[in-house]
Amino acid sequence: GENVEQHPSTLSVQEGDSAVIKCTYSDSASNYFPWYKQELGKGPQLIIDIRSNVGEKKDQRIAVTVNKTAKHFSLHITETQPEDSAVYFCAASSSGNEKLTFGTGTRLTIIP
Amino acid sequence: SAVISQKPSRDICQRGTSLTIQCQVDSQVTMMFWYRQQPGQSLTLIATANQGSEATYESGFVIDKFPISRPNLTFSTLTVSNMSPEDSSIYLCSAVRNSNEQFFGPGTRLTVL
Repeated sequence: GENVEQHPSTLSVQEGDSAVIKCTYSDSASNYFPWYKQELGKGPQLIIDIRSNVGEKKDQRIAVTVNKTAKHFSLHITETQPEDSAVYFCAASSSGNEKLTFGTGTRLTIIP
Repeated sequence: SAVISQKPSRDICQRGTSLTIQCQVDSQVTMMFWYRQQPGQSLTLIATANQGSEATYESGFVIDKFPISRPNLTFSTLTVSNMSPEDSSIYLCSAVRNSNEQFFGPGTRLTVL
């Protein structure tokens, strides 16, 4: 089955700086990679996703990239703000199989 | 996106008892799932809730312990049976409407004493 690794497990960033979270996956059939933000006491919130036939996708301060050959994908948050502090999860699935395999999570702390 | 609600939001239960968690989606979805998230951990898929038929369970999860129903396209229940303290966790339902986009409910925080 699919295995998703996520790094780092914790990340502290000065407000205004950028944050990068990286994930690798094992199953070459995986082609859909969502990212979730989970705030304390809440369910995961889908913030952005990307398919492996698209190299990069941006949404305001958030960008995701995927390298199908190397089997890794990344989340980039620019101009970080205190409200970006949360736990971020990457995940992977394949077309026709919507079951998600999650990474282990990254606790992001933005230092004011 | 889909709006997903869960009831109860939290509960404290005695060992040996059972708890049924309800998940309601605001519109028809193609797939619904149940996940478990232990404190400080990632999400682990328990099962796929199939509409009108038996759920499909992941390795390590069985129907006797986690019976699931999905009587229609917008509603599902998960029962945690014969609970022990090890079942203390957050239980999350999710739904897929189109393509792969999967949205989560707020979770049910279960504590078993």
